[in-house]
Amino acid sequence: EPEVTQTPSHQVTQMGQEVILRCVPISNHLYFYWYRQILGQKVEFLVSFYNNEISEKSEIFDDQFSVERPDGSNFTLKIRSTKLEDSAMYFCASSVFDREGYTFGSGTRLTVV
Amino acid sequence: EDQVTQSPEALRLQEGESSSLNCSYTVSGLRGLFWYRQDPGKGPEFLFTLYSAGEEKEKERLKATLTKKESFLHITAPKPEDSATYLCAVHGSGNTGKLIFGQGTTLQVKP
Repeated sequence: EPEVTQTPSHQVTQMGQEVILRCVPISNHLYFYWYRQILGQKVEFLVSFYNNEISEKSEIFDDQFSVERPDGSNFTLKIRSTKLEDSAMYFCASSVFDREGYTFGSGTRLTVV
Repeated sequence: EDQVTQSPEALRLQEGESSSLNCSYTVSGLRGLFWYRQDPGKGPEFLFTLYSAGEEKEKERLKATLTKKESFLHITAPKPEDSATYLCAVHGSGNTGKLIFGQGTTLQVKP
């Protein structure tokens, strides 16, 4: 069964450093998303991406965050200057259409120290 | 503001003891209600999408139903392997791919 692949599975970074989280969505999917889940809290929407541009972003997704689809397969989330409160599980998801169930990756656990 | 509330927060069942999980929602024009299963340290695993009141979907021991205000996930004769956190999410109108998640119900099924 096709799956969304995320790397790395766990990343530890120092506060103020830049991090790039990587995702390979399912090949025929057109819509791409990033969500995050702080330990013990709800899964929160960050950004959706379609046709090589951001279609919606949340209040969390400020100027420190950016997304990119550098080639036909990868989808990345960059955090320019990490803060302690950025520590969370970050999930990438993809879907064929924007109304149907999305397939989530296994996540990247980001720990900012 | 779109909102999703799940109850109970935690549920312990004996193997074979059927029960239901509740998801109450408020959204300005529902485009879809989703149920996911999440195992510890893993990403949400898609179970069902429901689009309109009265709709029902089944998968093995799970059955999801939808009304205009809430959804239920019925678990019939659960097994220990059904132990997980079950997440409900809504996709409201006017959004582009944004899902609003509830806090989840953590189910533990004891043998």
